[in-house]
Amino acid sequence: DVKVTQSSRYLVKRTGEKVFLECVQDMDHENMFWYRQDPGLGLRLIYFSYDVKMKEKGDIPEGYSVSREKKERFSLILESASTNQTSMYLCASSLSGVSYEQYFGPGTRLTVT
Amino acid sequence: GQNIDQPTEMTATEGAIVQINCTYQTSGFNGLFWYQQHAGEAPTFLSYNVLDGLEEKGRFSSFLSRSKGYSYLLLKELQMKDSASYLCAVKGGSYIPTFGRGTSLIVHP
Repeated sequence: DVKVTQSSRYLVKRTGEKVFLECVQDMDHENMFWYRQDPGLGLRLIYFSYDVKMKEKGDIPEGYSVSREKKERFSLILESASTNQTSMYLCASSLSGVSYEQYFGPGTRLTVT
Repeated sequence: GQNIDQPTEMTATEGAIVQINCTYQTSGFNGLFWYQQHAGEAPTFLSYNVLDGLEEKGRFSSFLSRSKGYSYLLLKELQMKDSASYLCAVKGGSYIPTFGRGTSLIVHP
């Protein structure tokens, strides 16, 4: 059974703080993804990684960075949190190949005040 | 760019059949996924279509027409637990899935 875990379910941070969101998967998946989900906007891709130390920008990378030092772990970093980054953040992983589905973590609801 | 369109909200009655449509315009095509997401939970995989036609999986079926850029998810014998958001995601030429905004389905008794 694939499991994707995220470090926190709920997080409250202040404007300007550096924020780390951690994601770990236990099925040796090559691909990992970070999305944010906002009402009426759906899932939007922030960054993805197809291998250790490899990263690619998604549709909305501004204000975010990522790190993938180990295959099982993908971190999302908000260098200086802002109120417009208040959102639900979802991590996902998948095998390489076009037909493979994504497995999602439970999400982190981040509030920036 | 990629454009994926699905209705925002649908309502249906327990025991009925509902069809959730998804239309897309993408550069290249490598498959279409449907996910279910209950409120406050993670999306979970329902189906994958890459060839034209209908794929049936129990009460859920998914249809694809590549020439029309169109898919639908068909839910039969609706149950209250089917109340959820249904997300359409398309893998275009980049192999990275792009998600639609999701359809919120409300099933009432």
